[in-house]
Amino acid sequence: DAGITQSPRHKVTETGTPVTLRCHQTENHRYMYWYRQDPGHGLRLIHYSYGVKDTDKGEVSDGYSVSRSKTEDFLLTLESATSSQTSVYFCAISRTDDNSPLHFGNGTRLTVT
Amino acid sequence: GQQVMQIPQYQHVQEGEDFTTYCNSSTTLSNIQWYKQRPGGHPVFLIQLVKSGEVKKQKRLTFQFGEAKKNSSLHITATQTTDVGTYFCAPPWGSSNTGKLIFGQGTTLQVKP
Repeated sequence: DAGITQSPRHKVTETGTPVTLRCHQTENHRYMYWYRQDPGHGLRLIHYSYGVKDTDKGEVSDGYSVSRSKTEDFLLTLESATSSQTSVYFCAISRTDDNSPLHFGNGTRLTVT
Repeated sequence: GQQVMQIPQYQHVQEGEDFTTYCNSSTTLSNIQWYKQRPGGHPVFLIQLVKSGEVKKQKRLTFQFGEAKKNSSLHITATQTTDVGTYFCAPPWGSSNTGKLIFGQGTTLQVKP
């Protein structure tokens, strides 16, 4: 498996609190992505990054922000968590933009109570 | 917006039976990728199809890309319990080349031994 580490693996938080999820890669890949997975919806793209400090919105970006200050780290922040953000969050990386396969991390299960 | 429909959502088969999942797009696709996610796991890349009418095989798995490049299918011959999981099709999202993928809702396969 590609060297991708997501932390934490599980988190329970209260509505209204800020939450930051971390994705760390050791592959030196340029592209990084955050997806959320919910039953009946498959995986939906939240934000992605095409380089250090270069990020853009995905399909479901409202309520989320991201930052990438180093090639290896991509942070996803929920500024004020809501119950609708209870989900499993996957980080993914890809080597190039020419439709290279995505390699996924093991996911973070987030519960907002 | 861009949509990818995957059917069926669930499929229960007896071990040894065949299985097929279909992926349909509202727009012409440049390529399509397929992923498998085992229960409790993360999506893992299976294959990419690029050419119109392309057929690729991986042991008991056969992947097809439609002539019009608007649909794709995955067929498993003589299913085994190791085939259990959710299968996702994933074409590129949007027109820019940033490696972003949009995922179908997935087909969850259960295999009864």
